[in-house]
Amino acid sequence: EAGVTQFPSHSVIEKGQTVTLRCDPISGHDNLYWYRRVMGKEIKFLLHFVKESKQDESGMPNNRFLAERTGGTYSTLKVQPAELEDSGVYFCASSHGSRSEQYFGPGTRLTVT
Amino acid sequence: AQTVTQSQPEMSVQEAETVTLSCTYDTSESNYYLFWYKQPPSRQMILVIRQEAYKQQNATENRFSVNFQKAAKSFSLKISDSQLGDTAMYFCAFTLSSNTGKLIFGQGTTLQVKP
Repeated sequence: EAGVTQFPSHSVIEKGQTVTLRCDPISGHDNLYWYRRVMGKEIKFLLHFVKESKQDESGMPNNRFLAERTGGTYSTLKVQPAELEDSGVYFCASSHGSRSEQYFGPGTRLTVT
Repeated sequence: AQTVTQSQPEMSVQEAETVTLSCTYDTSESNYYLFWYKQPPSRQMILVIRQEAYKQQNATENRFSVNFQKAAKSFSLKISDSQLGDTAMYFCAFTLSSNTGKLIFGQGTTLQVKP
């Protein structure tokens, strides 16, 4: 069975541009989480979907970030416009239940120049 | 606010020896879960071990065990008989039983196992 996949693995964009990150969770996992790790700091929670609904988006930094999960399958995280401080590694994780083990994707390394 | 602190940014250990990674956390809640995750170089993060706060017995998974001290809010990870494949970044994390599963992570400890 395929694990959590993320695309792209690495993205380099200029300040002010738009980037869309994609996450494909494990098939059948209703719960999908986005996290971010800024260089040298802890991994921080961004938001949580249950199927297509946003359960908790308390970690979203600001309104430049938009996450969607249409149809309750894959999810996208769009950053528009990107700022320098958005650089980091964006992780996606999925789980069967909200208290089940979370399986992580390999992450997308975003570099904003 | 809930926080997790890993005070050792980097550690190293000789192959076959034992190493302990430290983690402390802060929460006013009494029901929660604690985790250690491992991220090998250029690979995905995987769960190493999990501890329910209501359980007094320390969790063990093969060569990995924890020392859970609830009163001290400490959750250290012991790796016995270290292997080269244990080289990775290790993250301590917890989640409240009452919430939706969002994990709160520490800063991570890079562990290098030397031959």
